[in-house]
Amino acid sequence: GAGVSQSPRYKVAKRGQDVALRCDPISGHVSLFWYQQALGQGPEFLTYFQNEAQLDKSGLPSDRFFAERPEGSVSTLKIQRTQQEDSAVYLCASSLLTEQETQYFGPGTRLLVL
Amino acid sequence: GNSVTQMEGPVTLSEEAFLTINCTYTATGYPSLFWYVQYPGEGLQLLLKATKADDKGSNKGFEATYRKETTSFHLEKGSVQVSDSAVYFCALRRITGNQFYFGTGTSLTVIP
Repeated sequence: GAGVSQSPRYKVAKRGQDVALRCDPISGHVSLFWYQQALGQGPEFLTYFQNEAQLDKSGLPSDRFFAERPEGSVSTLKIQRTQQEDSAVYLCASSLLTEQETQYFGPGTRLLVL
Repeated sequence: GNSVTQMEGPVTLSEEAFLTINCTYTATGYPSLFWYVQYPGEGLQLLLKATKADDKGSNKGFEATYRKETTSFHLEKGSVQVSDSAVYFCALRRITGNQFYFGTGTSLTVIP
């Protein structure tokens, strides 16, 4: 389909492992957002890209979290040395630059750190 | 700071009942306000939005009015259907910046 896709849908990691989560935004969407959603909570903003530029990373919880979007399309969220508190659903959303208030969300990647 | 507080669930209603899900916000300036919905097994979808005071957002029979004086954006529907069963999230976006702030979500179950 033409929506936002994310992979993998589920990831189980042992504490201390590195993980990489992928987001494919809707074609032509300049803006891309990453959110973290803990169980029973609403999404919390992590970072924002406009094309390949990461304009806001104020929500990244620690320096173990790193995101990139090198060609202004696909984005990867990397978590190094995962901890149990990193267990959450990671959501990606994209939007047109001129309509940032209408975000299209992907299905999310559910990360479980054991 | 910026935050959203919404009514805790879960909420269970009979079909055709009236729905209200309360949402209040704290924000600097005049944010835009949103309701997102997440149907079972699906991703978040924008339900409705309002960008300035006294604006009413509406979609699929749902309505919410931006009330600056009470800093509220309550979601209402006159007659719910089983297909409305979902989790509803209230959110705000500051007038400057890119961050959205979401509430914790309210789970709604509508029974026939």
